[in-house]
Amino acid sequence: SQTIHQWPATLVQPVGSPLSLECTVEGTSNPNLYWYRQAAGRGLQLLFYSVGIGQISSEVPQNLSASRPQDRQFILSSKKLLLSDSGFYLCAWSVAAQAFFGQGTRLTVV
Amino acid sequence: QKEVEQNSGPLSVPEGAIASLNCTYSDRGSQSFFWYRQYSGKSPELIMSIYSNGDKEDGRFTAQLNKASQYVSLLIRDSQPSDSATYLCAVNGGNTPLVFGKGTRLSVIA
Repeated sequence: SQTIHQWPATLVQPVGSPLSLECTVEGTSNPNLYWYRQAAGRGLQLLFYSVGIGQISSEVPQNLSASRPQDRQFILSSKKLLLSDSGFYLCAWSVAAQAFFGQGTRLTVV
Repeated sequence: QKEVEQNSGPLSVPEGAIASLNCTYSDRGSQSFFWYRQYSGKSPELIMSIYSNGDKEDGRFTAQLNKASQYVSLLIRDSQPSDSATYLCAVNGGNTPLVFGKGTRLSVIA
């Protein structure tokens, strides 16, 4: 069966510090991969999605970037965090339309 | 821009009653429709998918789709306090990422 791992579960980072969140998927090949952000009291905002290695589509211009160095690995990064980057970050994978989420990372920028 | 609209709630229903959650979407080309349940502080969990007009039942849950009206709903029969959560409607049009509504918060009162 397919599983998705996302870490860390919680993170507190100072403004201006870098960020790296990692997500890996097991039990499937060539999944579509996604990064979403959910701010407090708001909906899920699609940040990036990838249909294959090295293929990244950005939905929202901001100081975040994503990379897919391997088929089942998706990384979300920032060189310098802003206060507005705080939120609940969710990695997801999909095959045939249905999407499944990792446990999420709650990021607080202080 | 593709949009998915939901009433934010909270929707309060007594235990044992039917909870009715509604969602409208803007993209007539949408092909796949999903309902996710999200408990506070947790990631969304897929509970129902529907692809054609009509009703689809799974246990206490029934998803209803009307493509002509661009409307999808979720009925929860015999609501339980454990059903208290935020319910997210999600839509996509084939090979495009899911677009989520902001969710409806459901509270089942014992």
